[in-house]
Amino acid sequence: GENVEQHPSTLSVQEGDSAVIKCTYSDSASNYFPWYKQELGKRPQLIIDIRSNVGEKKDQRIAVTLNKTAKHFSLHITETQPEDSAVYFCAASKIGTYKYIFGTGTRLKVLA
Amino acid sequence: DSGVTQTPKHLITATGQRVTLRCSPRSGDLSVYWYQQSLDQGLQFLIHYYNGEERAKGNILERFSAQQFPDLHSELNLSSLELGDSALYFCASSVGVMNTEAFFGQGTRLTVV
Repeated sequence: GENVEQHPSTLSVQEGDSAVIKCTYSDSASNYFPWYKQELGKRPQLIIDIRSNVGEKKDQRIAVTLNKTAKHFSLHITETQPEDSAVYFCAASKIGTYKYIFGTGTRLKVLA
Repeated sequence: DSGVTQTPKHLITATGQRVTLRCSPRSGDLSVYWYQQSLDQGLQFLIHYYNGEERAKGNILERFSAQQFPDLHSELNLSSLELGDSALYFCASSVGVMNTEAFFGQGTRLTVV
């Protein structure tokens, strides 16, 4: 069945450094890859997404890259700030399965 | 505010009991998803409804059931509760079926004692 692996499970970076979180999906027919940020005690919220017809997408300090051949996609956060500290979840979905499968999450800590 | 409303916010109940969690999706959204998040764990997909019909099941126990009503609100029923069912239960809604942003509610924190 569908599966999304996410690494690392925890990540600590110094303020101003970059952070990279990677996800691998199992179903080659997956075509939508969102990333969600969940702050402590709050609901997950979409921060960026990418579709399979695009290789890279940027939004200010956040970017996502997709490698369909290798079936993995990554979240890149540049110039990290303390408010970036949260749990980040990747997800993968495809038309027809009606499932929205999340990765296991990455706890990012930005050290001031 | 995502526009998705979940009630109640907190629920404390005893083992063996039955509870109902309620979710009202964003106006216009036809899809409702339910997820379970245990302490420091990921988001486990439970079930998905689209316009009143069940479309997908994930790791949902037989003790759990859900439905989506004609007004599109959804209820998740948890019965014969066990201590391990204690978790944060999220509802999310989206416009269509997949390939679009899912908007999450604030969640219902269930504590089974």
